Amino acid sequence: GAVVSQHPSRVICKSGTSVKIECRSLDFQATTMFWYRQFPKKSLMLMATSNEGSKATYEQGVEKDKFLINHASLTLSTLTVTSAHPEDSSFYICSARDQGGQGAIQPQHFGDGTRLSIL
Amino acid sequence: AQKITQTQPGMFVQEKEAVTLDCTYDTSDPSYGLFWYKQPSSGEMIFLIYQGSYDQQNATEGRYSLNFQKARKSANLVISASQLGDSAMYFCAMRLSLGRGGKLIFGQGTELSVKP
Repeated sequence: GAVVSQHPSRVICKSGTSVKIECRSLDFQATTMFWYRQFPKKSLMLMATSNEGSKATYEQGVEKDKFLINHASLTLSTLTVTSAHPEDSSFYICSARDQGGQGAIQPQHFGDGTRLSIL
Repeated sequence: AQKITQTQPGMFVQEKEAVTLDCTYDTSDPSYGLFWYKQPSSGEMIFLIYQGSYDQQNATEGRYSLNFQKARKSANLVISASQLGDSAMYFCAMRLSLGRGGKLIFGQGTELSVKP
């Protein structure tokens, strides 16, 4: 089945560092990918929709200059947390949907997530 | 506004028994899809089952079935014959647009614990 690969799975770094997270669709093309943030025992909150070849669409309250998204190809989207601080520590998950087929029927496939810890 | 609500923060079930996880939704859009995902402690999101707003029959996938009551706007997940490996967070989600950019909105989640 469709697989989404997310890397790295865990990052621990110092405050002020920028961190890049990659999300790849391995066996399908994804013109649209989604980035979520999740706190422990909480729901997934959509941060932004990543569009191949164009600017990402950010949800209300998400700082686009803080969370840079690039979707340079049909199989790769990246999220860069710039100048990360301890409050950015969280679980970040990407998701993509196989574009081959009708809209709502296709389930979204998720990466395994990245646990980001800023010291 | 579109909204998904899961009112059970935590649930306990005895192994081999059935359990129902509640989910209600709110939308004025006639076209939508409802999904259930399982998230073990390791973090990955596992797709379980899907129900389309125009589907006449309730969806079933192995031990999972979706009790879809459109008039009540509810889409409860029923897990039959619970297993210890079913212990996890469960999320109900809705996608509105039939278009390719439709966003998936999640409920608050229910933590299921299966007792031996």
